[in-house]
Amino acid sequence: DIQMTQSPSTLSASIGDRVTITCRASQTISYWLAWYQQKPGRAPKLLIYQASSLETGVPSRFSGSGSGTEFTLTISSLQPDDFATYYCQHYNIYPLAFGGGTKVDVK
Amino acid sequence: QLQLQESGPGLVKSSETLSVTCSVSGASVINNDYNWGWIRQPPGKGLEWIGSISYRGATYYSPSLQSRVTLSVDTSKNQFSLKLNSVIAADTAVYYCARQRVAGRSYYFDHWGQGTLVTVSS
Repeated sequence: DIQMTQSPSTLSASIGDRVTITCRASQTISYWLAWYQQKPGRAPKLLIYQASSLETGVPSRFSGSGSGTEFTLTISSLQPDDFATYYCQHYNIYPLAFGGGTKVDVK
Repeated sequence: QLQLQESGPGLVKSSETLSVTCSVSGASVINNDYNWGWIRQPPGKGLEWIGSISYRGATYYSPSLQSRVTLSVDTSKNQFSLKLNSVIAADTAVYYCARQRVAGRSYYFDHWGQGTLVTVSS
């Protein structure tokens, strides 16, 4: 089974910062990767699929890149609404798996 | 618009069976472009995929839960359901249902329910 590892687990940042989160797969998954944002008490929200495709309605400050085993989620200029936990998920093959999450909090 | 709503018992006794149903409105579960999935999240922890089901009843399970999980779909009610038997304290979690895109080699979740907390008591 494919394991997903995110780093860092917590990231402290300020409004306007460029933020980068990394997700690594235990074996190659091509570009079959999604990113989600979750706020406390809320369901996750899809941000990016196929490693770099932005879901409809998601602000363009979010971007994804990578292929194979290493992927990144970048927020180009952190906004107040972006403080949340972010998860990656591979969908190369069943079973699916999520990364452990990266919490972005206030510096 | 599409809405998914979980309904569950809230509290389940250890060794018993947990049952959660997801009611879908705004779209039909009968759609070749989507499967229907379950994901759980223990308090303060990350997301864990439980399994997915197509409207035809094809199922895909997490290996760690496969021996205890059964997914089903009721197209007449536009619902799908999760049963987890022999529950233990570690099964305490928020259980989410979600729509899973499967068109074009995709298996990610694009719409989620609000989640329902199920607590396993001893």
